Amino acid sequence: AQRVTQPEKLLSVFKGAPVELKCNYSYSGSPELFWYVQYSRQRLQLLLRHISRESIKGFTADLNKGETSFHLKKPFAQEEDSAMYYCALAPRADKLIFGTGTRLQVFP
Amino acid sequence: NAGVMQNPRHLVRRRGQEARLRCSPMKGHSHVYWYRQLPEEGLKFMVYLQKENIIDESGMPKERFSAEFPKEGPSILRIQQVVRGDSAAYFCASSPPGWTEAFFGQGTRLTVV
Repeated sequence: AQRVTQPEKLLSVFKGAPVELKCNYSYSGSPELFWYVQYSRQRLQLLLRHISRESIKGFTADLNKGETSFHLKKPFAQEEDSAMYYCALAPRADKLIFGTGTRLQVFP
Repeated sequence: NAGVMQNPRHLVRRRGQEARLRCSPMKGHSHVYWYRQLPEEGLKFMVYLQKENIIDESGMPKERFSAEFPKEGPSILRIQQVVRGDSAAYFCASSPPGWTEAFFGQGTRLTVV
């Protein structure tokens, strides 16, 4: 079965603390994985995708095929990082399977 | 480019009525996707359309739900005889041919009373 699991509904940290948003996937092939972010009252937007191996807004995510994970990390959280974060798996080029999302709250 | 436009943003329907949700993709995008987000759940894929074609409707409920993307005009997600369980946020996304990423609209929140 193709599935994305985000075990944490809510993650609260203080500004400057490290952040790790967990994502595990279930897929038998070679996955394409994404992180999407939704800031308050804004639309869902792509944050990063594993194939580009970029760092966006200080966030990085490494695909670990052995652990079937794609955790999102940032060494020093900022208040403006507060948002909903969704991990997504694309089993093929035109279909996204989303996790349930994690709300990140960064306190000053 | 105004981005993916969905309307209405909020829609209230009584049980048994019809709901029509519209999605105008970004300029140049020929692929449209509909997702549903139920309370406390993630976004669930419903249907993938190209102009005048339904490519994948594996996530659509078998009854009461239909979608179209005509040659001209927006994509429409139609829900007939709505029930309380249809209350959700419905998101549309579009992508260009060749699909690099999906661009999302702001969603339509449907409430069935």
